[in-house]
Amino acid sequence: DQQVKQNSPSLSVQEGRISILNCDYTNSMFDYFLWYKKYPAEGPTFLISISSIKDKNEDGRFTVFLNKSAKHLSLHIVPSQPGDSAVYFCAARPNQAGTALIFGKGTTLSVSS
Amino acid sequence: DAGVIQSPRHEVTEMGQEVTLRCKPISGHNSLFWYRQTMMRGLELLIYFNNNVPIDDSGMPEDRFSAKMPNASFSTLKIQPSEPRDSAVYFCASSRRVGQPYNEQFFGPGTRLTVL
Repeated sequence: DQQVKQNSPSLSVQEGRISILNCDYTNSMFDYFLWYKKYPAEGPTFLISISSIKDKNEDGRFTVFLNKSAKHLSLHIVPSQPGDSAVYFCAARPNQAGTALIFGKGTTLSVSS
Repeated sequence: DAGVIQSPRHEVTEMGQEVTLRCKPISGHNSLFWYRQTMMRGLELLIYFNNNVPIDDSGMPEDRFSAKMPNASFSTLKIQPSEPRDSAVYFCASSRRVGQPYNEQFFGPGTRLTVL
């Protein structure tokens, strides 16, 4: 049973518009959430994270929102650029330092110019 | 500064053959992770090590899979015998366990395995 779910396998957005990628989780013990970005033929790279004690974290064009009551987080990209086209993985960490992350299946974002 | 290094980048083998994937983590990192990526299951953790000791291998699919980390700078993932359903991209990642507020993991480029 998946503890981290990304229910949309793909998303298409026009350049300049907002991209919203969603992620749901089932375990209320998760204390840290991360987004990773992956280009073809490369490994995933860290993008942005948020602690469970916060509800928003912003880094340039990227903002992650966390709704603990709904067990839901989202990644907003504004404005979207063609170079943002990639697979985005949501990941969560159980609240125990040193444990591995649990990843979702990923959402493929396509930004057209 | 070199990232996580994996070899080979591509491997094509026949069913029944032994396959060995290799990983060199980032120097100074003391946690190492092996993942497998498939269309059906996404990115799944196979096993991870802290300070060269296997901590959780519950993701290893079968006894045909084994992983070792003989020292802090090298790890292997072995499949013996390989089967077509093992075809996937295998990623190695490393992180610094102590001193970081979160487990940012740095991934290698992956090994694309095809078992015919």
